Amino acid sequence: QKEVEQDPGPLSVPEGAIVSLNCTYSNSAFQYFMWYRQYSRKGPELLMYTYSSGNKEDGRFTAQVDKSSKYISLFIRDSQPSDSATYLCAMSAGNSGGYQKVTFGTGTKLQVIP
Amino acid sequence: ETGVTQSPTHLIKTRGQQVTLRCSSQSGHNTVSWYQQALGQGPQFIFQYYREEENGRGNFPPRFSGLQFPNYSSELNVNALELDDSALYLCAAQRDLTGETQYFGPGTRLLVL
Repeated sequence: QKEVEQDPGPLSVPEGAIVSLNCTYSNSAFQYFMWYRQYSRKGPELLMYTYSSGNKEDGRFTAQVDKSSKYISLFIRDSQPSDSATYLCAMSAGNSGGYQKVTFGTGTKLQVIP
Repeated sequence: ETGVTQSPTHLIKTRGQQVTLRCSSQSGHNTVSWYQQALGQGPQFIFQYYREEENGRGNFPPRFSGLQFPNYSSELNVNALELDDSALYLCAAQRDLTGETQYFGPGTRLLVL
């Protein structure tokens, strides 16, 4: 079983829809949770960064972390065609062992149709 | 822009050869991590360098090695290339070993034939 599970999609939605992206994880030591956006042939770009449980909002993006269920979500409101990309969840236990090893999900490919 | 650059952007090698990939980041980012991203997969942690010392390693064989220089730029070296080494290689820079997140470069796409 992978430490981080993420549905690879693809996920197709019409422009303006609310998108929900999710990851589950098994390592209870994870306490830092990130969402990255990766366009084709580019490096990942940080979207959201959350410590521990709770919600965080930034513009059209909302990240939720439920540590009791080992479940994290990213919501995108009023989705735009420019949101079409692969979304990677990532998490870390922090300075475990003296370094921050980040574990990624496989990514969910999102397509927003105009 | 993340301030992290990588070179070259693309590279083609044959099995058994050696390759060196390079990464530079903006001033103050003294911690560099390298990741391998196979097609359709998330990035896999290779190792991390902090102040010119290896500071953690993922599940990769010793033929994957690295260096970090006093200006915090970094190299990833891969010896005895195998077909499965074909991937996007990403470096990520951060300030110190805190919980602050990492900023990724655009990657080097390596193809091993």
